[in-house]
Parts: sequence; C-alpha cells; structure tokens
Amino acid sequence: GENVEQHPSTLSVQEGDSAVIKCTYSDSASNYFPWYKQELGKGPQLIIDIRSNVGEKKDQRIAVTLNKTAKHFSLHITETQPEDSAVYFCAAPGSARQLTFGSGTQLTVLP
Amino acid sequence: DSGVTQTPKHLITATGQRVTLRCSPRSGDLSVYWYQQSLDQGLQFLIQYYNGEERAKGNILERFSAQQFPDLHSELNLSSLELGDSALYFCASSVTGGYGANVLTFGAGSRLTVL
Repeated sequence: GENVEQHPSTLSVQEGDSAVIKCTYSDSASNYFPWYKQELGKGPQLIIDIRSNVGEKKDQRIAVTLNKTAKHFSLHITETQPEDSAVYFCAAPGSARQLTFGSGTQLTVLP
Repeated sequence: DSGVTQTPKHLITATGQRVTLRCSPRSGDLSVYWYQQSLDQGLQFLIQYYNGEERAKGNILERFSAQQFPDLHSELNLSSLELGDSALYFCASSVTGGYGANVLTFGAGSRLTVL
C-alpha cells in the first residue's frame, strides 16, 4: 500500500517568512495530492490539492509543487501570519481507494 | 461549519464497554469515511462506505464495525473497548467514492476517552 512520509514534524517561522513542508510517497500510480490544515479542536480542512498532470498550483499565499519522477510534493506558504499556525497533513491515494495521510507538521508562526 | 455532523463530541466510558459514534455527511455527498487520530498514529483510515455499501477497508479492528444507512448517515460501533482505543474519531464525506482523487470534507470529530 501507499506510504507517505512527511517532514519536518515541527516547524517554527517568524511572521512574514516562508514555510515549506515536504512529503514523499511510494505508489507511482498515485495521481492526487491534497494538503489539509487542522486547527486546534477542529477536523482537517482541505487547503489546496494538485493532480498529477500539473507540476505546480498556487492559491494566494499557498502553493504546492509536485515532482512525479522523484515521488515528492511540497507545500509552500509565503508571508506567514499567526493564523497559519496549525497542523498540516499531506496525503496520497492508497491501494484501497482511501487517502493515506502523512504524520503531520506542527507549524508555529512567531509574532 | 463543514456540513459534516458528528455526535457525540465527547464520550467517556470504561474498558470493556461499547459505544456508537454517529456521522451525517454533507448534503449531496454519497461516501462516508472513518478515520482514527491518536497522538502517535496520526490519521489512520478505518473504513469507507459509498451509497450504503462498504467500499474500502483499512486498519479497522475486528472489535469495530460500521454501516451506512439509506439516509446516508453512518455509525461506527466500537466494542470491548480498551485503553488504547482512546482517540479522536473523524468522519469525512465526499461526493463520489471512486479510486483516489476524492475531496474529503471532515467533521469536527468525536473524542473518545476510555478509562
């Protein structure tokens, strides 16, 4: 089945700086790569996703890049703000039609 | 509010007991997923239903079972509870239930504490 590894597990940045979270996956057939944000006491919320026919996708301050050859994808957050502080999860489809999630990254944006 | 409703929000029970968690999917979504989130295990996929039928099964214990009813709500039954079953249980829903590229909408979760 799919194995998704996510790094780093914790990340602290100064407000206004950029943050990058990286994930690798094992199943070369995977074709959909979402990122979820989980705030304290809430369920994960989709913030951006990318499909395998594109290499990069942007939505305001967030972007995702995909390298299918190397089987890794990354989340980029620019001009970070305190409200970006949360746990971020990457995911990729598993062999049984379910999304397999990475272990999560606790992002802290310091004022 | 994501549109996915989970009840109860919090549940405290004892080892050996049985509990039922309920999920109402977002309007128009046919597929329901259950995930378990514990501190050291991250989000673990348990089971998926699509329009009343089991579609995929993950790391779900034999003590756990689930079903999706004709009105599309789903219930996750946890029996013979152990201390290690303490976790957040999330329900998610999606419009379709096909392979891979399903946009999941998560509920707020049910926190289960087994004492």
